[in-house]
Amino acid sequence: QKEVEQNSGPLSVPEGAIASLNCTYSDRGSQSFFWYRQYSGKSPELIMSIYSNGDKEDGRFTAQLNKASQYVSLLIRDSQPSDSATYLCAVPSSRSGGSNYKLTFGKGTLLTVNP
Amino acid sequence: GAGVSQSPSNKVTEKGKDVELRCDPISGHTALYWYRQSLGQGLEFLIYFQGNSAPDKSGLPSDRFSAERTGGSVSTLTIQRTQQEDSAVYLCASSFPGLGYTFGSGTRLTVV
Repeated sequence: QKEVEQNSGPLSVPEGAIASLNCTYSDRGSQSFFWYRQYSGKSPELIMSIYSNGDKEDGRFTAQLNKASQYVSLLIRDSQPSDSATYLCAVPSSRSGGSNYKLTFGKGTLLTVNP
Repeated sequence: GAGVSQSPSNKVTEKGKDVELRCDPISGHTALYWYRQSLGQGLEFLIYFQGNSAPDKSGLPSDRFSAERTGGSVSTLTIQRTQQEDSAVYLCASSFPGLGYTFGSGTRLTVV
């Protein structure tokens, strides 16, 4: 099993709809989870982080974490054409000591929001 | 600085030449990471520096790749005897404890 898996898409939704992006991970010890957005030709940009089971909302974005199922998702409400990008799930490979961990990234899900 | 700065933004080099890529992290960030991203591919971890600890070099693809971080700040990634398969976007990121990475804008390396 790959360390971080995402549904590869592409995912196409109409403007105003909810886009749902999913990610599973293999390391049960992982404690923090990140979602990045990457526009074509640009570098990844951090949009959400989540550390506890449940939901975390930030504007139109909601991250959902279920550690028992090793599953993290990102919901985008009222999707806009400007949300069209590749969304990357990232999970740390923990090291003993310290709180900076190298992140393993999923291959990303390409989202297209159609006007 | 305000963000992670990488230079050059683009580099075209001939096969067999050496290249150096530079990264200037956000001031105060103790961790620095190098990744690369080939066309249409995911992010591949290369190396990770954390404070004064020994770097995690587990992602370097061959001994042609090396990196150093001087004074806990600026980092240089060196690729010796470049090959065409080294062509990719090389991304540097830095982080503050407990927070996610901030990426630089990357260096697009093309080996011809």
